Amino acid sequence: DAGVIQSPRHEVTEMGQEVTLRCKPISGHDYLFWYRQTMMRGLELLIYFNNNVPIDDSGMPEDRFSAKMPNASFSTLKIQPSEPRDSAVYFCASSLETGNYGYTFGSGTRLTVV
Amino acid sequence: AQSVTQLGSHVSVSEGALVLLRCNYSSSVPPYLFWYVQYPNQGLQLLLKYTSAATLVKGINGFEAEFKKSETSFHLTKPSAHMSDAAEYFCAVSRNSRGNEKLTFGTGTRLTIIP
Repeated sequence: DAGVIQSPRHEVTEMGQEVTLRCKPISGHDYLFWYRQTMMRGLELLIYFNNNVPIDDSGMPEDRFSAKMPNASFSTLKIQPSEPRDSAVYFCASSLETGNYGYTFGSGTRLTVV
Repeated sequence: AQSVTQLGSHVSVSEGALVLLRCNYSSSVPPYLFWYVQYPNQGLQLLLKYTSAATLVKGINGFEAEFKKSETSFHLTKPSAHMSDAAEYFCAVSRNSRGNEKLTFGTGTRLTIIP
């Protein structure tokens, strides 16, 4: 089991550019979560999916952020246009509802917007 | 709404000394509580979880935590610190222990071990 795989590990982009972060959950897991980690705000839930359907996107900061899960093995988080304040580490996690808890986190994508 | 408060953003202990990381929770429903550890440049790893079965919970790497309803606390302890314990620790709360519920995290405590 390769765990939750995120790509890229590091991303540096210029303000105004589009950024796409990718996540491959653990096979068979039916929940997928996107979190953002910053020094100021800690870990914040952005959005989560159940069986590829978005359940709660109330944490998405603004319309510049969008997330999709076209199938059970892939999800993207897109920021367009990016801003310096979007600089953070973005984590993806997956879980199985009927499992004995809990989340498995990916290693994260460190995004720097200059 | 649920929340957790971690007291102390930085804690330093000597190698071999007791580790105590504090977490207090607020929840309108019976909480499910978790401790996660994050090593540098890595994701979060589950240390232990409280699911109402027992108030004293044992986790990996010699850590344990005790749920105290009267104090709304879930402090993390380890009798003897090891250099490899240096990391950031997060307390989290959820409404259940299954995998379908979002976690609300505390702000984290960075643990430094002094040789």
